[in-house]
Amino acid sequence: NAGVMQNPRHLVRRRGQEARLRCSPMKGHSHVYWYRQLPEEGLKFMVYLQKENIIDESGMPKERFSAEFPKEGPSILRIQQVVRGDSAAYFCASSPDSLGNQPQHFGDGTRLSIL
Amino acid sequence: GQNIDQPTEMTATEGAIVQINCTYQTSGFNGLFWYQQHAGEAPTFLSYNVLDGLEEKGRFSSFLSRSKGYSYLLLKELQMKDSASYLCAVRDPSPAGGSYIPTFGRGTSLIVHP
Repeated sequence: NAGVMQNPRHLVRRRGQEARLRCSPMKGHSHVYWYRQLPEEGLKFMVYLQKENIIDESGMPKERFSAEFPKEGPSILRIQQVVRGDSAAYFCASSPDSLGNQPQHFGDGTRLSIL
Repeated sequence: GQNIDQPTEMTATEGAIVQINCTYQTSGFNGLFWYQQHAGEAPTFLSYNVLDGLEEKGRFSSFLSRSKGYSYLLLKELQMKDSASYLCAVRDPSPAGGSYIPTFGRGTSLIVHP
């Protein structure tokens, strides 16, 4: 039973390029969350999606960032025209629902480095 | 949780007991989670509390007091492998409304030494 799969594990981009981060939730999970983590800091919520719907994007910057979770395939977090400040670890988590005692399960993250 | 507070760092001795505290302020509480995160790895789920009281799971226990906005994670018989960051997360209504999102504290870095 595969866990949450994120790829790539490491991604290097130059300023101005685009970064695409992928996340496949655990089998049976239809809720996906993206978080950003800077060194020595906690996980900052970015966006919460269900299949084909963005439920809550209150933590995502209004510009350059977008997310999707299509009917088929993984969830994608897209960062356009990256800047040095986008360097961070991006974690995806999934859960079978949004309430109840089921915890989020996290992927191993994508470490994004901007040159 | 709009405001979650944890100590930044704690140290303890192998075999000892350590208590990691978490205080929070929230507009609509719907559960508190503790996660363990080793450096460079994914957070892994440890415990969940939604009602007041103590939840015990092996060497780890978690306590919640909703009236005080307070939780703690208790680790017994510490092992070297317990050296990690411990994240407190509170689920409450999203500012955007319509959903409940776990909000994480900055984490407590626990160092276990021989």
